[in-house]
Amino acid sequence: QQQVKQSPQSLIVQKGGISIINCAYENTAFDYFPWYQQFPGKGPALLIAIRPDVSEKKEGRFTISFNKSAKQFSLHIMDSQPGDSATYFCAASGEGANAGGTSYGKLTFGQGTILTVHP
Amino acid sequence: NAGVTQTPKFRVLKTGQSMTLLCAQDMNHEYMYWYRQDPGMGLRLIHYSVGEGTTAKGEVPDGYNVSRLKKQNFLLGLESAAPSQTSVYFCASSYLYRLIRAQHFGDGTRLSIL
Repeated sequence: QQQVKQSPQSLIVQKGGISIINCAYENTAFDYFPWYQQFPGKGPALLIAIRPDVSEKKEGRFTISFNKSAKQFSLHIMDSQPGDSATYFCAASGEGANAGGTSYGKLTFGQGTILTVHP
Repeated sequence: NAGVTQTPKFRVLKTGQSMTLLCAQDMNHEYMYWYRQDPGMGLRLIHYSVGEGTTAKGEVPDGYNVSRLKKQNFLLGLESAAPSQTSVYFCASSYLYRLIRAQHFGDGTRLSIL
């Protein structure tokens, strides 16, 4: 059972356009929602993350929009550049913690979106 | 500043063979994780460790074993490799980032089982 569903599987955008990737989750125990960027032959790298107590977080050209009631969140890449071409993964965390309440940080990933930005 | 280093980078095995994947981190992180990445499936957690000498099962643990004898190392073992274990394996370690545990990934081990 896929707890985090991501769409679309692939996305083609022109340079300067807006890229939008969507994710939906089921487990209400999730309390941390990161996005990872992965280039070919490399491991995923943390791009931006949000907690459910805010509806939006912006870092440069990257914005996460979060809708807690709908259990959905999305990544918006403004002014998309060819260098943004990569695979993007949404993820969710929050299951399991130690006796002090610190999360184990286990991540449940979406299926991934291959973004291609044409020059 | 190596971060998370995975060894080997590539490997081809025959069905039934065994092998161990090594993950080493030099950031003194407490938590470490093993994931596998398959097309259309994202990354799925195999096992994780919250400290030296401790391990726990993730989402897809069957057919794998792990050990964390030293804080900086996390080993993933395949006792009897099967074609279904053909995948790209990623190790990650976790650090605290603005009260959130953010994971830092290695560059993966590409494993093919024939």
